[in-house]
Amino acid sequence: DIQLTQSPSSLSASVGDRVTITCRASQTINIYLNWYQQKSGKVPKLLIYGASSLQSGVPSRFSGSGSGTDFTLTISNLQPEDFATYYCQQSYSTPTFGQGTRLEIK
Amino acid sequence: EVQLVESGGGLVQPGRSLRLACTGSGFTFDDYSMAWVRQAPGKGLEWVSHITGKVNGETTEYVASVKGRFTISRDNSKNIAYLQMNSLETEDTGVYYCTRWIVQSKFDYWGQGVLVTVSS
Repeated sequence: DIQLTQSPSSLSASVGDRVTITCRASQTINIYLNWYQQKSGKVPKLLIYGASSLQSGVPSRFSGSGSGTDFTLTISNLQPEDFATYYCQQSYSTPTFGQGTRLEIK
Repeated sequence: EVQLVESGGGLVQPGRSLRLACTGSGFTFDDYSMAWVRQAPGKGLEWVSHITGKVNGETTEYVASVKGRFTISRDNSKNIAYLQMNSLETEDTGVYYCTRWIVQSKFDYWGQGVLVTVSS
């Protein structure tokens, strides 16, 4: 199975900040990498697919980049509704998720 | 509008069985692969199983921890995907989400989730 390691596991930031979350795969996965947002007690929501494509309806302050084994999710101009847990997920082979990154208000 | 609605969760003793159902609407059900993703209390997301669409032969895959115990299936005439869970273990406790799976791409739509609690 392909392992995904996210860093950091948690971070604190303020409204208006720019934050970056990293996801590293245990082997190359081309661009088969997605990002999801999950607010507390809510259903996960697809943000980015194919490493950098924005899912319909997702604000443009969310962006993704990377290929091979190293990927990033960047959130520009953090909004109050962005404080949540973020997961990466690979679809190169049998799906696996990263362990999650909790984004908290500073 | 795509909608996925799960049912069948509940409290069950270890070793017993439970069947989850996921009813889809707003899309051509048999064209799409369907998957189950679970989340143990306070933990992250874990893909459990998926079944491909009719055109891809309705093939199935499972995470290692449920192989031989869980069976995924679908009834395209009713737009329902099932997850039959046998020999349940306490580690199977969590919220089970039904998702639409674009093969080698993304889980693009999710149901609200159903809680499964395995406890004596």
